[in-house]
Amino acid sequence: DAGVTQSPTHLIKTRGQHVTLRCSPISGHKSVSWYQQVLGQGPQFIFQYYEKEERGRGNFPDRFSARQFPNYSSELNVNALLLGDSALYLCASSFDFWSAGTTDTQYFGPGTRLTVL
Amino acid sequence: EDKVVQSPLSLVVHEGDTVTLNCSYEVTNFRSLLWYKQEKKAPTFLFMLTSSGIEKKSGRLSSILDKKELFSILNITATQTGDSAIYLCAVGRIQGAQKLVFGQGTRLTINP
Repeated sequence: DAGVTQSPTHLIKTRGQHVTLRCSPISGHKSVSWYQQVLGQGPQFIFQYYEKEERGRGNFPDRFSARQFPNYSSELNVNALLLGDSALYLCASSFDFWSAGTTDTQYFGPGTRLTVL
Repeated sequence: EDKVVQSPLSLVVHEGDTVTLNCSYEVTNFRSLLWYKQEKKAPTFLFMLTSSGIEKKSGRLSSILDKKELFSILNITATQTGDSAIYLCAVGRIQGAQKLVFGQGTRLTINP
């Protein structure tokens, strides 16, 4: 089975532009989460989507938005890019949702490296 | 505010040595603690721990959780150059989003 896939692998944008990152979860997984990892730091939670609904949002500005499609793939959109948005954007998928009473592991994709100039 | 702290931040050892990586946490509604290995991009899953005192083992790697003292350790014995990576500790919460709170990672370098 294929793991979590993300596209593109690398992206270079200029300040003020908009970017869309894509993620396909492991087959059968219904939950997708997005994380931002700045160089030298651990990943920081941005969003979680489960069954196409937003289940959580981290401490990120409204320039960040996401959605999940009926096939459980997901997009992360960032508007009005700033230099500080340069980071590795990681997508993670899991089969179920913790609040449903299950213990579940999140599996990460290879990430999209975004550079804002 | 939820906090996960890893130590040391960086560690350089020789091949064959044994290393211990530390992770302490202050997280409300704790559900589980996870260890990941990050070599280039994708963090790869190593262990999930939910119960105190029960060691999880995979080859030369092992980990244990202490929910009373709020910490976990990751041990790697007979280290190899392929163990060089950043090791991330993350804590999952019981309620709300299925959010992982990560530490800053430990960069482990194994010299031949």
